[in-house]
Amino acid sequence: DTAVSQTPKYLVTQMGNDKSIKCEQNLGHDTMYWYKQDSKKFLKIMFSYNNKELIINETVPNRFSPKSPDKAHLNLHINSLELGDSAVYFCASSQGRGAGNTIYFGEGSWLTVV
Amino acid sequence: AQSVTQLDSQVPVFEEAPVELRCNYSSSVSVYLFWYVQYPNQGLQLLLKYLSGSTLVKGINGFEAEFNKSQTSFHLRKPSVHISDTAEYFCAVRPQGDYKLSFGAGTTVTVRA
Repeated sequence: DTAVSQTPKYLVTQMGNDKSIKCEQNLGHDTMYWYKQDSKKFLKIMFSYNNKELIINETVPNRFSPKSPDKAHLNLHINSLELGDSAVYFCASSQGRGAGNTIYFGEGSWLTVV
Repeated sequence: AQSVTQLDSQVPVFEEAPVELRCNYSSSVSVYLFWYVQYPNQGLQLLLKYLSGSTLVKGINGFEAEFNKSQTSFHLRKPSVHISDTAEYFCAVRPQGDYKLSFGAGTTVTVRA
C-alpha cells in the first residue's frame, strides 16, 4: 500500500495547456504539501494545507492552484503551462507540526513541457 | 528564517569505504533536522531525524548522523557504503512548531566498485 500516491508519474504536454496532478494519502494525516524539484534537484515548498485550509503559500505564479477536497487529497492544477514549469512535483503529508511528525513524500510526478 | 547548506555537491566514493556528507544550518529558532535520500527516478525517503535527546542518531541502511549545536551541523555518515547507496542525499530543517521543511541543495553520492 502506497502511503502517499500521486498521478500521473510522467506527464509530457505542450506549452499553453492546462494540467492537473492528483495526490492522495492514506496515512490519516491532516497536513499535505506540494514541493517542486527543479532541474538542479533543488527542492522548494509551494503550498501546504492543514485540514483543507491553506497554511503555506510560497511565491509561485497564479497559474498554480492547489485544491484540497478533503484531508486525504491535495491536487495541483497548472494553467497555461510554460517551459519553466518542467520539473518534478512531489506531494507530501504529515500529522500536524509537532515533534516527530515526519513529512512523508510521494514518488513524484515528472512534468515535461515542450 | 532558516537555511541549509550542504557543503559537498558531489561525493564519489569506492565501495566499502566510509562516507561523510556535511550539512550546516542556520536558524533563529530551534529546529528539527532530517536527512532524506532520493534514489534515481524515485521519491524521497527518510533516512533519519533528530528531534531531541542524544545527539547521535541512527537511521536506516546503516546511516547515522550527529547533531552539533555549537557548530550548527548535522553531518551524515556511513562506515561502509554499497553500490546501492548511490543516490541524492538531502539535509532538511523544520522549525519547531512550524510546518515548513526547508531543504539543502543535495549531495550526489556515487559509489564505484
